[in-house]
Amino acid sequence: GAVVSQHPSWVICKSGTSVKIECRSLDFQATTMFWYRQFPKQSLMLMATSNEGSKATYEQGVEKDKFLINHASLTLSTLTVTSAHPEDSSFYICSARPGTGAYGYTFGSGTRLTVV
Amino acid sequence: DQQVKQNSPSLSVQEGRISILNCDYTNSMFDYFLWYKKYPAEGPTFLISISSIKDKNEDGRFTVFLNKSAKHLSLHIVPSQPGDSAVYFCAASAKVGNEKLTFGTGTRLTIIP
Repeated sequence: GAVVSQHPSWVICKSGTSVKIECRSLDFQATTMFWYRQFPKQSLMLMATSNEGSKATYEQGVEKDKFLINHASLTLSTLTVTSAHPEDSSFYICSARPGTGAYGYTFGSGTRLTVV
Repeated sequence: DQQVKQNSPSLSVQEGRISILNCDYTNSMFDYFLWYKKYPAEGPTFLISISSIKDKNEDGRFTVFLNKSAKHLSLHIVPSQPGDSAVYFCAASAKVGNEKLTFGTGTRLTIIP
């Protein structure tokens, strides 16, 4: 089946530093990938839609200069949290859809970011 | 504005009995609905979906029911097994191919052996 690999699974960083999270589709090409954030005991909130070869589309309230998204190939999207602060600590998850239709979204295993 | 709501944050069910998880939505443009299962520190795993042209979809122990007039869907798991213990999210999209999913707040299901 379709597999989405996300790395790292957890990261601790100091305030003010930047952290890059990778999302790879291992056995399919994904022109579109999605980045979600989940705070404890809350829902998954879509942050942005990553489009291969073009700019990402950000949801309302998400700072595009803070959460840099790059989708340079059909199998890789990256999310960089720039100048991280403790309030950015969260669980970040990417997803991609290997085929047509809304079913079958495959999610990565997520990245737990802790900013100290 | 929470367009997809799961009003029960938690649910406990005896092993072997039926688990019923509920989900309500407000956006009448939603026409495709999905259920995901999630373990802590892992990404969601797709379970089952339903299109708005149907009112029921069944896959093994999992059945999803959709009541469009009430803007309500439910996931039935029968018989419930200990491995079903997880957080369940319903999600909706406004158009097949739109690709944007709106998630509910989740229900933590605990199966009691």
